[in-house]
Parts: sequence; C-alpha cells; structure tokens
Amino acid sequence: QERPVQSGAEVREPGASVKVSCKASGDTFNYYMNWVRQAPGQGLEWMGIINSRGDSTSYAPKFQGRVTVTRDTSTNTVYMELSSLRSEDTAVYYCVRDQCSSTSCYPLLWGQGTLVTVSS
Amino acid sequence: AIQMTQTPSPLSASVGDRVTITCRASQGIGNELVWYQQKPGKPPKLLIYAASSLQSGVPSRFSGSGSGTDFTLTISSLQPEDFATYYCLQSYNYPYTFGQGTKLEIK
Repeated sequence: QERPVQSGAEVREPGASVKVSCKASGDTFNYYMNWVRQAPGQGLEWMGIINSRGDSTSYAPKFQGRVTVTRDTSTNTVYMELSSLRSEDTAVYYCVRDQCSSTSCYPLLWGQGTLVTVSS
Repeated sequence: AIQMTQTPSPLSASVGDRVTITCRASQGIGNELVWYQQKPGKPPKLLIYAASSLQSGVPSRFSGSGSGTDFTLTISSLQPEDFATYYCLQSYNYPYTFGQGTKLEIK
C-alpha cells in the first residue's frame, strides 16, 4: 500500500489562501481521502473528507466556509484549499487515505505532511 | 460533533510496565474507534482499528478494548520504542474527532 505524496512547504501572508495537493497511486485513488492538520506542538485535528468520486465532501464545523477539498480523477490528485489564512493556521497538513474493514472505515495511510506557515 | 476525552496526559512509565490509556466518547460510537501512535516529526501510525483489531505489523503487546463510549489502549510491556504520543479517533460519523493525545514519557 503506497502512501499518498503531498506537495511541498508553503508560506503565505495572513488573509491569503493556500492549496495543498495529495497524489495517490494505484487503487489508492478509489478510496475516500481525509485531511488532518497539526499545529506546532499540538494535537491532531480532522478537517474534512472527500469521497472516491469527488462529488461529496464533509467538513469539520470549525473549517466550514474556509476549506474546500476537491478531487481530480484524471490525475489521481486530491486538493485541500484553505482561505482567509491567519497565524493560527500554521501547521502541518496531512492527507490520509481511508480504509474500510467489514464493519467500519478509518484513516489509514498518511501522506508525509505539508508545512504551511502563515506569517507577514 | 462527538467529543473524545482522552486520559491521562502525560503518562510516565518505565520499560516493562503495563500501561493503559483511556478514551471516552460523548455519545455511543459502537466500536468505531481507532488508535494511533505518533513520534516527533513523523505522521501518525495506525495501531488499532474497530476498537480492538490489531493493524497488520503492529506488535501484539498493543491491544484495544471497549465499545459504546469507553475505550482503552493497553501496552502490555513497554519497550523503549513505545515512548511516543497516542491519539484516539472516532470514525463513527462526520466530523471525525480525535482525542487530545497522551504523551507517554519515560519515568
């Protein structure tokens, strides 16, 4: 099972947007994809998920209206765009492929993470 | 959203100890609870899914139990490589939610 591969680190000014990519390979692309972030020294925070076809998303209330997750089926790539950035958004952002057992689904395969720094 | 309360944090223990970390959900989540281990600078690693199923390749000293609202992760005999931070996650419904993490420290 190959891990997703994410785009590189980004630096943005407050108020800007950032778009992080996550490229899956093989049959990984048939799975749902989560986005999770981790601020420096802090815990994990689930942001949202997109289904395998890319036509359905669900977001955490905290990020609703600021985050958009999309999927390009032609390039096997998932994107997470976060807008109206503030310093508190400085974090490592992970894409995580879901896995389903016979009874439940859960985030399994983590990308390497993308550091987004928000600073003026 | 379902809230996940994880205790204790931090947790101090010695090599060879048996340790237990607890996660409590604010409402019933069946068995849709997973446990991760995270080491500094690395992405989390899945240890347990469906509350008690051991992920392939994870040492058998790790075990999970519970259903409904109360869950535990047990490490039967701590090894040096087990000192890390542990997180629970409920995958019962969206938004998925994590516990706040338990940092397992060397005593």
